Amino acid sequence: EDQVTQSPEALRLQEGESSSLNCSYTVSGLRGLFWYRQDPGKGPEFLFTLYSAGEEKEKERLKATLTKKESFLHITAPKPEDSATYLCAVQSIQGAQKLVFGQGTRLTINP
Amino acid sequence: SAVISQKPSRDICQRGTSLTIQCQVDSQVTMMFWYRQQPGQSLTLIATANQGSEATYESGFVIDKFPISRPNLTFSTLTVSNMSPEDSSIYLCSATTSYGYTFGSGTRLTVV
Repeated sequence: EDQVTQSPEALRLQEGESSSLNCSYTVSGLRGLFWYRQDPGKGPEFLFTLYSAGEEKEKERLKATLTKKESFLHITAPKPEDSATYLCAVQSIQGAQKLVFGQGTRLTINP
Repeated sequence: SAVISQKPSRDICQRGTSLTIQCQVDSQVTMMFWYRQQPGQSLTLIATANQGSEATYESGFVIDKFPISRPNLTFSTLTVSNMSPEDSSIYLCSATTSYGYTFGSGTRLTVV
């Protein structure tokens, strides 16, 4: 069974304090790993898709990396507007296009 | 990217009643999905809405409780039937688009 575990559950940082969120996964053949941002009362907003180990993608202050067992979402010099819940999800080769989500990391950036 | 609209955005319903949630995509999409997000939890897939055939349900979800329609390539509905307080959740529609998987803003359901 495909599984996704995110850590930490919650993270509180000061503005400008860089850190990383972790997503560990177990999947029967990875088709893709997805990162989403979710603000309260809204649906998940797409950030990145990673397909193979060693791949990296960047967007503004965010950088996502992928290994064969885990993915990291690095946040550089965050701002208060980066506060949100960050969700990781995997799609397996055998998963009929469904996504399996982790529990998310609730990130708070204090000014 | 595709835009997904869900209606209603929120509702408060009496136990024992049913609620139908609509999901409209602004372009034709191949796959549409319905997820549930219980308070403080992550997203759990309810079913895949198949155009022209019955939905494919995940373990723990049944058609009698969550009937789904997909009459065309841009529209789907999810009905939550015979509701109980345990059905209080956010229900999210999703579709595969050129960006991958796009989500609607969700329907916040409270059952009293």
